[in-house]
Amino acid sequence: DSGVTQTPKHLITATGQRVTLRCSPRSGDLSVYWYQQSLDQGLQFLIQYYNGEERAKGNILERFSAQQFPDLHSELNLSSLELGDSALYFCASSVRGWGETQYFGPGTRLLVL
Amino acid sequence: AQTVTQSQPEMSVQEAETVTLSCTYDTSESDYYLFWYKQPPSRQMILVIRQEAYKQQNATENRFSVNFQKAAKSFSLKISDSQLGDAAMYFCAYRSAERETSGSRLTFGEGTQLTVNP
Repeated sequence: DSGVTQTPKHLITATGQRVTLRCSPRSGDLSVYWYQQSLDQGLQFLIQYYNGEERAKGNILERFSAQQFPDLHSELNLSSLELGDSALYFCASSVRGWGETQYFGPGTRLLVL
Repeated sequence: AQTVTQSQPEMSVQEAETVTLSCTYDTSESDYYLFWYKQPPSRQMILVIRQEAYKQQNATENRFSVNFQKAAKSFSLKISDSQLGDAAMYFCAYRSAERETSGSRLTFGEGTQLTVNP
């Protein structure tokens, strides 16, 4: 157990819908990262937050957004869902925002029908 | 941009034997970190080992060790005394050590699926 929690574990929804994925980092970690793992794209970095502020952006679609709250948990919002958004979404956390190891949560498996 | 390449999509090893998984990367940076993560069938991403580029000594964690060749940009993982529980997808990952760049992200290779035969 990495100490990073993600909810829900599984999500099934329809195209065009909107979902919210939630992540709680390890105690004491200030930085949260979101990654997407799909069959065709592999593991890709989406976005990073550090102590409530956006720190780095990767291949995140405009339909996707994220935020980190004062209690440091983070949410990833996916809207206007398409079949191709079906993937495993991981949250990871680290103490600060650079250099140190990232610890991953168990992931949320999203299936868009 | 940094890239990570794992040229072995699949590998297999007999229980108790040793196996080496390959990883190469491309970067223009001098300071960075390299990682091996394991993803078993549960899909959880588990850190196996970490190497700082400024350290010449290869990292070891129990049965897991790396061969880090900075000039060759190579970072292989050796698993000794392989166990059934080692069966998983293994990902090599790169992370910049530069604080102010967007390099705080992990860049992953495509993964190597390791099978352990009893």
